[in-house]
Amino acid sequence: DTAVSQTPKYLVTQMGNDKSIKCEQNLGHDTMYWYKQDSKKFLKIMFSYNNKELIINETVPNRFSPKSPDKAHLNLHINSLELGDSAVYFCASSQRTSGETQYFGPGTRLLVL
Amino acid sequence: DAKTTQPPSMDCAEGRAANLPCNHSTISGNEYVYWYRQIHSQGPQYIIHGLKNNETNEMASLIITEDRKSSTLILPHATLRDTAVYYCIVRSGAAGNKLTFGGGTRVLVKP
Repeated sequence: DTAVSQTPKYLVTQMGNDKSIKCEQNLGHDTMYWYKQDSKKFLKIMFSYNNKELIINETVPNRFSPKSPDKAHLNLHINSLELGDSAVYFCASSQRTSGETQYFGPGTRLLVL
Repeated sequence: DAKTTQPPSMDCAEGRAANLPCNHSTISGNEYVYWYRQIHSQGPQYIIHGLKNNETNEMASLIITEDRKSSTLILPHATLRDTAVYYCIVRSGAAGNKLTFGGGTRVLVKP
């Protein structure tokens, strides 16, 4: 009965490859996010979508492209993977009302070799 | 969003209350105080949030000072499963909804 799910849980790939991470939420929320947690454990926002519309796009390389086919899904596609992309990527969702709470997925551990 | 300051780590005895402080001296009137925690290898978990009144739920209590420049998260009876990194975050509803995580407090609950 998972609220926010991500696939895959682990992803090991070679430098230069293109990969996608999928996120789905069954909470009926209208806003979804991608966060990145690097080796120093700092969590940083990457993107946010509200009703399939991009509302936050932090200074992320354009090799990263989020796609939201519907309100329940926000996928992250990464082109030409680099060693520095190795991190844990967390998806989250919330309902866009005053003081809404974000619920996080379990994370996808990406290792670029 | 206002910056928060938390101690980097603290220990707590199992069964005792854990009091986690957070300073947010530059908080503005429309900013909420949120607490999340991250247990090892898991996604951040929402604990509680408040604006100016003290709040309590099944997980914890949040005490916000009258001037709103600091707050304390209280875990009333800490268990070993409460070992985690606890993040205090100040966020405005008008700031694009993002959560800005700092370093947090690493809490170790000891038997």
